[in-house]
Parts: sequence; structure tokens; C-alpha cells
Amino acid sequence: GAGVSQSPSNKVTEKGKDVELRCDPISGHTALYWYRQSLGQGLEFLIYFQGNSAPDKSGLPSDRFSAERTGGSVSTLTIQRTQQEDSAVYLCASSVTPNRGHEQYFGPGTRLTVT
Amino acid sequence: DQQVKQNSPSLSVQEGRISILNCDYTNSMFDYFLWYKKYPAEGPTFLISISSIKDKNEDGRFTVFLNKSAKHLSLHIVPSQPGDSAVYFCAASAANFGNEKLTFGTGTRLTIIP
Repeated sequence: GAGVSQSPSNKVTEKGKDVELRCDPISGHTALYWYRQSLGQGLEFLIYFQGNSAPDKSGLPSDRFSAERTGGSVSTLTIQRTQQEDSAVYLCASSVTPNRGHEQYFGPGTRLTVT
Repeated sequence: DQQVKQNSPSLSVQEGRISILNCDYTNSMFDYFLWYKKYPAEGPTFLISISSIKDKNEDGRFTVFLNKSAKHLSLHIVPSQPGDSAVYFCAASAANFGNEKLTFGTGTRLTIIP
């Protein structure tokens, strides 16, 4: 079946602009995660969605970052007033449930470059 | 601060030999550990995991060892094959009752030399 898809695959934007990154999780997966990987860093947790519960936003680096998950499926990560330090690969992952033992399946990521 | 550390950014191993990738962690609350493999332009894919109640887990050519007292884990690949060339990430999570957010290391690039 189809895996996790993300769009766009690459995004170049000017400093100060807003960007939206999209994630389509695997159908039926209830848990959805956003991570980012900055140059030379590990993957950094950003936000987590599970069903209709309030999302865990504890990893969002600033209030310029927000995310939504509509209808328990597609998710959009929005970065307002982008800064150069936002340049990174943004990865989305989904799992059947959030319980350990249910692996997280990752999308290919969106490479964001802020000039 | 980096709670999961992979101190070797790269490793080269002859085909057929054993590859050993290392990972250290600092957060004693971590109780579940995973290894992910990543090819260029693809997302990471799950490889193997281990719970803190075990000290070893094996799956085919892949074995993960956990030393809780040293806060250290390692991934052994034997025999190494050219298709194993990839970036390997160590990850950890703490029991959080339904939110398995992962903390990742910076990765080790493994190159298998034919």
C-alpha cells in the first residue's frame, strides 16, 4: 500500500515568508508525528497528533510554528515569518497507534531552504 | 543538549565483516530504544528495537545490545552487505502512556566496501 507522502519535496523561500508543508499519513494510522533534521543534527521531535486528542506541541521551537490535522488524516505544518535557522528537512511519520511496538513510518521529507 | 549521542559520524567496513554502530544516551527515563536506517532522499525506516528489560535482541543479521548501567547500546550487523550502506540513527523513548515521541541521535554513515 501507499506509504507516508509529503509535499512539496523541496521548498525554497525568502526570509519572512510563510510556508505550509503537507503530510499524508498511511490510511488508518491514528498517530502522526512531525520531526525536523537540521544540518548536522539528529531528528528533532516537533509535534504529535493522536485521534481527537489535543496535540502534544512540546517540541515546537517557537510560536511561529503551528500544525493542524484535519479529519484525523492529512496534516499541515505552517511556519510563519520564516528565518534562516528554519532551514531543515521536515519529516512526517505515522503509526497504527502511538503505542510502542507499532513502528513509525516516515515520509521522504520536505527540504526547506530559507534564503 | 543531545540526549542521544552517536559519536562516530562515519564508519567503513569490508563486505562480509561485522559492522558495529554505537550509541550513548544520558536520560535515565529512556526505556525503549530503536535503530532506523536511512537511504538518501528517503525517510528513515525502522530496523530493530529493544526494551530496557532486555539486554539483547536479534533479527537475522541485526543484533542490538543494551547496557543500561553504561547507558550504551550498539547495533551489530553481520555479515555486512553492500546494501547496508546507509545512515543509521539510534532513537530512544520514555514511557509516556501513548505518545512515543522519539529522541534521535545525529546518525552514523555506514559504508560497506565491496
